[in-house]
Amino acid sequence: SQQGEEDPQALSIQEGENATMNCSYKTSINNLQWYRQNSGRGLVHLILIRSNEREKHSGRLRVTLDTSKKSSSLLITASRAADTASYFCATPRGADGLTFGKGTHLIIQP
Amino acid sequence: DAGVTQSPTHLIKTRGQQVTLRCSPKSGHDTVSWYQQALGQGPQFIFQYYEEEERQRGNFPDRFSGHQFPNYSSELNVNALLLGDSALYLCASSSDFRLDNEQFFGPGTRLTVL
Repeated sequence: SQQGEEDPQALSIQEGENATMNCSYKTSINNLQWYRQNSGRGLVHLILIRSNEREKHSGRLRVTLDTSKKSSSLLITASRAADTASYFCATPRGADGLTFGKGTHLIIQP
Repeated sequence: DAGVTQSPTHLIKTRGQQVTLRCSPKSGHDTVSWYQQALGQGPQFIFQYYEEEERQRGNFPDRFSGHQFPNYSSELNVNALLLGDSALYLCASSSDFRLDNEQFFGPGTRLTVL
């Protein structure tokens, strides 16, 4: 069963703009992870944020976590064409392993 | 340092056949997890191997089985293939079987069942 659900399902912006995508989940978590996937290939880990953290940065990426609302957001600043990909949030759920949402497909228009 | 590797890259099988997919984890990692990703969907957890044993299993039938070897590499076997088994199969490795750290994914094996 799905734990995380990303929103929007698809997002198209101009190069240089910021992209924000959101993730909601249902049960309590120890951590929440964001991954990127290019053209249906392997996933690349972006950021892991733990349940006692509220915000985390990595380069042009900023992730927030609100455990009271069971939600997280991923912000990509100054987007580039190479950021075009699908973005997934994932949470570890014991016997269910790492549980992913359906993803947000991001398109950066040149 | 090689990352996670998977073989083969692509595979075409017919219904009823059996398939074996292979994965070598990132150096230093002892935990391997397998995921199935249908087109347009997020990855679905199949099972996880640690210390050569299946530790956790998702909602997949017994047709899906696996193995982990002493060098931590792993195989995923699928018997009696169905059309619905067509998907990208991803292997991920980590140094923590509790999934409390980042997972390193391989490039995947694209399985097509005709």
